[in-house]
Amino acid sequence: GENVEQHPSTLSVQEGDSAVIKCTYSDSASNYFPWYKQELGKGPQLIIDIRSNVGEKKDQRIAVTLNKTAKHFSLHITETQPEDSAVYFCAASIGGGSYIPTFGRGTSLIVHP
Amino acid sequence: NAGVTQTPKFRVLKTGQSMTLLCAQDMNHEYMYWYRQDPGMGLRLIHYSVGEGTTAKGEVPDGYNVSRLKKQNFLLGLESAAPSQTSVYFCASRPGGPTDTQYFGPGTRLTVL
Repeated sequence: GENVEQHPSTLSVQEGDSAVIKCTYSDSASNYFPWYKQELGKGPQLIIDIRSNVGEKKDQRIAVTLNKTAKHFSLHITETQPEDSAVYFCAASIGGGSYIPTFGRGTSLIVHP
Repeated sequence: NAGVTQTPKFRVLKTGQSMTLLCAQDMNHEYMYWYRQDPGMGLRLIHYSVGEGTTAKGEVPDGYNVSRLKKQNFLLGLESAAPSQTSVYFCASRPGGPTDTQYFGPGTRLTVL
């Protein structure tokens, strides 16, 4: 089955810096890669996603890049703010159908004011 | 529109006791999922459903049962709770079309003594 590795497990940055979280996957058939943000005491919430026919996608301060050849994708957050502090999860799946994603183990992002 | 709700929010059980966790969604979604989240382990799929009256096993189904008698509800049962089932449980739902976004509930924190 699919295996998703996520790094780093903890990331500490100063407000205004950029943050990058990286994930690798094993199943070349995977074609849908969402990123979730989980704030303390809440459920994960989708923040951005990318499909395998696209190399990069941006939404204001966040962006995701995908390298299908190398089987890795990354989340980029620019101009970080304290409210960006949360746990971020990547996932990979074959989109559509019953959609069973495999999640990474999460990255705890801490943004210091 | 409440989205995905979970009942209860917290619960403490003794080993061997049983309980049912309720997940409800008001978005008319076809697919529903139960996950458990343990420190450093990401989200692991317990069971899922692709429509009313259907259920299927996920990655870690042992010790759990589920039912989806109504489209809007997905119940997770523990017949004889064990300390290894101490975890935070999340329910998620997803539309039945090509949209791949999962919507998560706020979680249930379960402790088994």
